[in-house]
Amino acid sequence: NAGVTQTPKFRVLKTGQSMTLLCAQDMNHEYMYWYRQDPGMGLRLIHYSVGEGTTAKGEVPDGYNVSRLKKQNFLLGLESAAPSQTSVYFCASTKIGYNEKLFFGSGTQLSVL
Amino acid sequence: QQQVKQSPQSLIVQKGGISIINCAYENTAFDYFPWYQQFPGKGPALLIAIRPDVSEKKEGRFTISFNKSAKQFSLHIMDSQPGDSATYFCAASMLFKNTDKLIFGTGTRLQVFP
Repeated sequence: NAGVTQTPKFRVLKTGQSMTLLCAQDMNHEYMYWYRQDPGMGLRLIHYSVGEGTTAKGEVPDGYNVSRLKKQNFLLGLESAAPSQTSVYFCASTKIGYNEKLFFGSGTQLSVL
Repeated sequence: QQQVKQSPQSLIVQKGGISIINCAYENTAFDYFPWYQQFPGKGPALLIAIRPDVSEKKEGRFTISFNKSAKQFSLHIMDSQPGDSATYFCAASMLFKNTDKLIFGTGTRLQVFP
């Protein structure tokens, strides 16, 4: 059972480039989340989804877009990367009624030069 | 009002000692307080959690103490081991727009030396 899988694990971008981070979960969870982790700032919610075809903004959504076309996948897009988006990105998922227990992927380290 | 303040930022403990990490919150709407443990290169994983109707929860060497009137809660790791070396995040959850919203503290890096 793979759980939550994130790809890629590492990526280096130049300012202005675009990319998509993929999150896949095999636990049939309804809820999925994208967080970013920065030193001294903890985990901050970017966007989340409560079901296939639905997305919502979190605390820090600017500069990011998301899509949830399939229940098991949640994509995070950066249309025009900025150095301020250098961070470690984590995807998480959980099932309805267990929102407090999140299952996290192992993260994507993104550097924007 | 939705912040969760965590201290210390880093902690060094000798093997066998007690590790204590503290968190404080302002919003009384929070109704669930989990702690997550994160090892280097891995995502956070739920360690232990408490609801505000109890003052203490213990699971093995890990204990959460909760003080509702002071709006504070803490994680105690008894007989700390080198394998406990990790970053610990407290969090608080509240219902927001029909879904639970989890707010994380800033994290504490724990190092346990033999």
